[in-house]
Amino acid sequence: GENVEQHPSTLSVQEGDSAVIKCTYSDSASNYFPWYKQELGKGPQLIIDIRSNVGEKKDQRIAVTLNKTAKHFSLHITETQPEDSAVYFCAAMGGGANSKLTFGKGITLSVRP
Amino acid sequence: NAGVMQNPRHLVRRRGQEARLRCSPMKGHSHVYWYRQLPEEGLKFMVYLQKENIIDESGMPKERFSAEFPKEGPSILRIQQVVRGDSAAYFCASSPTTQGYGYTFGSGTRLTVV
Repeated sequence: GENVEQHPSTLSVQEGDSAVIKCTYSDSASNYFPWYKQELGKGPQLIIDIRSNVGEKKDQRIAVTLNKTAKHFSLHITETQPEDSAVYFCAAMGGGANSKLTFGKGITLSVRP
Repeated sequence: NAGVMQNPRHLVRRRGQEARLRCSPMKGHSHVYWYRQLPEEGLKFMVYLQKENIIDESGMPKERFSAEFPKEGPSILRIQQVVRGDSAAYFCASSPTTQGYGYTFGSGTRLTVV
């Protein structure tokens, strides 16, 4: 089955700096890669996603890049703000009728004011 | 337009009791997924249901756990004879499509077994 690895497990940046979170996946048939933000005591919230026919997608301060050959994808957050502090999860979904997501273990992002 | 509604938010059960977790998907979503999250872990897939059908239960323990999504009413995740190891946050998500794009998660039910 699919295996998603996420590195590093914690990341601390200064407010205003950029943050990059990387994930790798194992199943070359995976074709959908969402990123979720989870704040304490809340459910995961979808922040951006990318499908395998696209190499990059951007939404304001957030961007995601996908390298299908290397089987890795990354989340980029620019001009970080304290409210970006949260746990971020990457996930991958297999092709065909398999619509379950396999998640990485998450990374705790801390933005220092 | 309410999101995915889960209740209760917190549930405390003694060992051996039953836990029933409810999930109402977003309006217009007929695909429901249940995930379990242990402390400092990612979410683990448990089961995928459509109305009146279990599509994929490959992540659900064979014993004590069951799920349903009836024609009317919410989806139910049922855990019988709970043990301490069942303590976790249980999240439900719904999607409007078979492909599962754009999952929306609920706020979860935090189950504590004492």
